[in-house]
Amino acid sequence: KNQVEQSPQSLIILEGKNCTLQCNYTVSPFSNLRWYKQDTGRGPVSLTIMTFSENTKSNGRYTATLDADTKQSSLHITASQLSDSASYICVVPYSGGYQKVTFGIGTKLQVIP
Amino acid sequence: EAGVAQSPRYKIIEKRQSVAFWCNPISGHATLYWYQQILGQGPKLLIQFQNNGVVDDSQLPKDRFSAERLKGVDSTLKIQPAKLEDSAVYLCASSSVGGGEQYFGPGTRLTVT
Repeated sequence: KNQVEQSPQSLIILEGKNCTLQCNYTVSPFSNLRWYKQDTGRGPVSLTIMTFSENTKSNGRYTATLDADTKQSSLHITASQLSDSASYICVVPYSGGYQKVTFGIGTKLQVIP
Repeated sequence: EAGVAQSPRYKIIEKRQSVAFWCNPISGHATLYWYQQILGQGPKLLIQFQNNGVVDDSQLPKDRFSAERLKGVDSTLKIQPAKLEDSAVYLCASSSVGGGEQYFGPGTRLTVT
């Protein structure tokens, strides 16, 4: 069964601190993994896409890592800002006759001053 | 490039009433998705279109939900009759190909009383 699990479900950190969000998947065959950011009241927005051959990819203060052997990905946020408060969703496409996607439930991050 | 448009942004109806949502995807995107996102959860795929054909509607409650994409561009999602548990945000997304990076609209927040 194709599944995506994220942890923690929620996280509160102080502004300026770093944090790491986790995503474990059982999707096979694997093609890529995506991290989305969803602000309250808005649709998800893509942060980064990791392919099988990529171990690390950065987008500003966001750094995603991928371990295809253990089927784990992490999203590290450096020097957090209040605007980072959002839900972060891990998405993994799979082929079921046609390309489909499996969403994680997301990690709700709250950055407090 | 214009993003994915959805309307209305908010809708409040009583149970057993009907409601319809509209989505206009990014120009040229062949794949269109409708998701249901209940508060505190990740998006759940309701239906995926490739042009005007249905690729996946396995999680669409077909006794009350229907969707169409007649000309392979705009799409409508209808609920008839609505139940209290249908209260959620309904997200529309599009991608250039199935399984490709998805671009989300702002969503329609439905409240069923």
